[in-house]
Amino acid sequence: GAVVSQHPSRVICKSGTSVKIECRSLDFQATTMFWYRQFPKQSLMLMATSNEGSKATYEQGVEKDKFLINHASLTLSTLTVTSAHPEDSSFYICSAPQLTDTQYFGPGTRLTVL
Amino acid sequence: RKEVEQDPGPFNVPEGATVAFNCTYSNSASQSFFWYRQDCRKEPKLLMSVYSSGNEDGRFTAQLNRASQYISLLIRDSKLSDSATYLCVVNPLNGYSTLTFGKGTMLLVSP
Repeated sequence: GAVVSQHPSRVICKSGTSVKIECRSLDFQATTMFWYRQFPKQSLMLMATSNEGSKATYEQGVEKDKFLINHASLTLSTLTVTSAHPEDSSFYICSAPQLTDTQYFGPGTRLTVL
Repeated sequence: RKEVEQDPGPFNVPEGATVAFNCTYSNSASQSFFWYRQDCRKEPKLLMSVYSSGNEDGRFTAQLNRASQYISLLIRDSKLSDSATYLCVVNPLNGYSTLTFGKGTMLLVSP
């Protein structure tokens, strides 16, 4: 079946640093990818929609200058958390749709900001 | 009213038990419905889609009641490996689109 990968799976960084997370669709092309965030015991919350060749669409309350998204190719989207702070610590998951409305999720990236 | 509501549980059941989860959604125009399974510290994985006529996949049965905006998942003959959080997911539009997730219902199956 379709596979979506994410890298890194886990990152620990100091407050103020920037962290880049990669999301790749391994055996299919994805013009659209989605970035979610999940805090402990909370539901997945959509942060933004990444569009290949155009600007990302951010959900209300998500700062576009803090969460930079680049959809460089049909198989790669990156999320950069700039100047990360402890409150940004979370589980970040990307997904890519294939065919109709089936979405495949990456394994997630657990970010811890000290 | 939250967009997708679920009882968070946990549901503690013995092996072999039958357990049912419910979910309600607020957007009456929603078109697609799913149950996902999420293991601790892992990504969600599609368990099954939910169709208006109801559908079954082995020990799992999903039902949709559009009039009541209600979705259910029934698990028969629970296995230890069924222990996970079950997410009710709604897609408001046809075709791929943003998914709205419930917080999930935790299931713990014990020996």
